[in-house]
Formats: sequence, C-alpha cells, structure tokens
Amino acid sequence: GAVVSQHPSWVICKSGTSVKIECRSLDFQATTMFWYRQFPKQSLMLMATSNEGSKATYEQGVEKDKFLINHASLTLSTLTVTSAHPEDSSFYICSATRWRGSNQPQHFGDGTRLSIL
Amino acid sequence: LAKTTQPISMDSYEGQEVNITCSHNNIATNDYITWYQQFPSQGPRFIIQGYKTKVTNEVASLFIPADRKSSTLSLPRVSLSDTAVYYCLVGQSSSNTGKLIFGQGTTLQVKP
Repeated sequence: GAVVSQHPSWVICKSGTSVKIECRSLDFQATTMFWYRQFPKQSLMLMATSNEGSKATYEQGVEKDKFLINHASLTLSTLTVTSAHPEDSSFYICSATRWRGSNQPQHFGDGTRLSIL
Repeated sequence: LAKTTQPISMDSYEGQEVNITCSHNNIATNDYITWYQQFPSQGPRFIIQGYKTKVTNEVASLFIPADRKSSTLSLPRVSLSDTAVYYCLVGQSSSNTGKLIFGQGTTLQVKP
C-alpha cells in the first residue's frame, strides 16, 4: 500500500515552455503533499507544502509564481514550472502523507527528470 | 528545527552488518525518527521509523538511546543492491506541518 505515482518520469522541452508534473496517491487519500527538487549529487530540497483545498506554502527562496502548485483533490497535486529555463532543469520529487504529523511517514513518487534546452 | 548529522559516506562488503549513526541533539519531545533509502534517479523509500528504544522490521533495525539525541540504523548482511543514499530525518511535530528537511545523507557503497 501507500503508492505514489508521478508523471511524467522525464520531460525535455524548450526554454520558455511551461511544464506540468502530476503527483497522485493511488491507494490512499493524502491531505498533504510535498514537492522537492534535487540536483545531481545533492540532497532533496523542500520547495513547498501542498494542502488539499488551500494554497500551497512555499519555502523561503522558492518563487510561487514560477512554481505553481495545485492540490485540487485528496489524490492529486500538480506542479507547473512556468516559463522554464535551463536553470530549472532538475529532478522533481513529490511525496504524500495521509495526515501531517511527525509519526506519519511520507511516501515518495519516483521523480520527474526535467531538462530544459 | 531538529538538524541531523550523518557520516557523508560509508563502505562495506557484501554479507556484513552496516550501522549508520545519526545525531539529532535538538530533537523535540514528540518527534519521531525516520530513515529513508534513495537509489539514483528514484524517490526516497521509507525504511523504518521509531520513537525510542529499538524497532525492527523485515529490512532493518533502528536503535534509539534513552536520551534520543542519536539513532543508529542497522542493516543486517548487506548486499550490492543496498548501495544507496540513506537519510535520517526527524519530524517537526512542534509545528505539525509534517514537512521533512533532508540533510546530506550517508552514501553507502557495498563492495563484492
């Protein structure tokens, strides 16, 4: 159980394009989803917390107008990278949890490799 | 925030037991300790979680001393497929946001 699916797994697009990444919890309802980005040989960096039915909470330094997050249902959150540029190329990973709390493990998707030409 | 400190890297050989220790001196009373494993180009995978003493599941054991300022992930009889990055995280129960702040993790290299 506790499967999180992320789509697409990789995408290559031209600079200036907007790219949407989907994160779905397949067998549970996720009140909270998280979005991370990871550069090569580095750790995961939390970008934002996505709560169903409310606005996302962004970490300091993350542009909310650049990275649009929508959490319209308990099983789906989307991250849209608007007007993407080569510096946005990275590995984007989502996670989902049934409820917020220290004792609630997060379940991660397999990531989306984004390459901007 | 309960910052964690782990060794950057570790080497081991197949069949050995591997112990990775994580320091979290500022852990809060209600915080749990969770370990994740990450392979290249994949999302992290939950390994084990604990609050105190010892927790064991089918893949690992987690040892937490009474003061909870550190924890040790124990992987019995590792194989080549256990080569990965291991992250120790402490939940932020005080803010109840559920968010996790990843440290640098420990890169475990298992050799034949």
